[in-house]
Amino acid sequence: NAGVTQTPKFQVLKTGQSMTLQCAQDMNHNSMYWYRQDPGMGLRLIYYSASEGTTDKGEVPNGYNVSRLNKREFSLRLESAAPSQTSVYFCASTEGGVLYGYTFGSGTRLTVV
Amino acid sequence: KNQVEQSPQSLIILEGKNCTLQCNYTVSPFSNLRWYKQDTGRGPVSLTIMTFSENTKSNGRYTATLDADTKQSSLHITASQLSDSASYICVVANSGYALNFGKGTSLLVTP
Repeated sequence: NAGVTQTPKFQVLKTGQSMTLQCAQDMNHNSMYWYRQDPGMGLRLIYYSASEGTTDKGEVPNGYNVSRLNKREFSLRLESAAPSQTSVYFCASTEGGVLYGYTFGSGTRLTVV
Repeated sequence: KNQVEQSPQSLIILEGKNCTLQCNYTVSPFSNLRWYKQDTGRGPVSLTIMTFSENTKSNGRYTATLDADTKQSSLHITASQLSDSASYICVVANSGYALNFGKGTSLLVTP
């Protein structure tokens, strides 16, 4: 099925460990995004990539890095995980900016202990 | 500061009944307003997208309205089904790549 695929679906990390969340889309979309969703809050933008070769910070970028590997793939890296990064992470893609519909992945539930 | 406020926070209705969810926003400049449905453990799925000039948009049993003058939107669900149990999120886009998400209304449809 066409769409946005995220891996892994679940992950438990110890404080200080690192990991990379993977995201791939097969809709030939130009723009890709990483959001986090916390209880009682709306989704917040971490980083986005408007097009292949570019990345920009969103609302809550601290503690994260991203790589737009190619047009299909956009990864999110936590270099030294902290309990405050416990959250559900969603990757999304769109043809361009806010004029277009967004397609979201099914999420990665990350717990940092 | 751009804000999107949704009400009620949660709602319980009987299967077959109608319901209306509300969204008020203070986002400028305004580009479009979207409603998403998010099932538990899944990513948000788009229901409707409305631009400034659109007052109403339907998607099956879902009808969204937009009053750009008062900066209010509503999502009306007709003849609710058990599968409508989910969180409904109002999202207002301004420019570029910025989406402003509401916290969502959690809807439970009971038999």
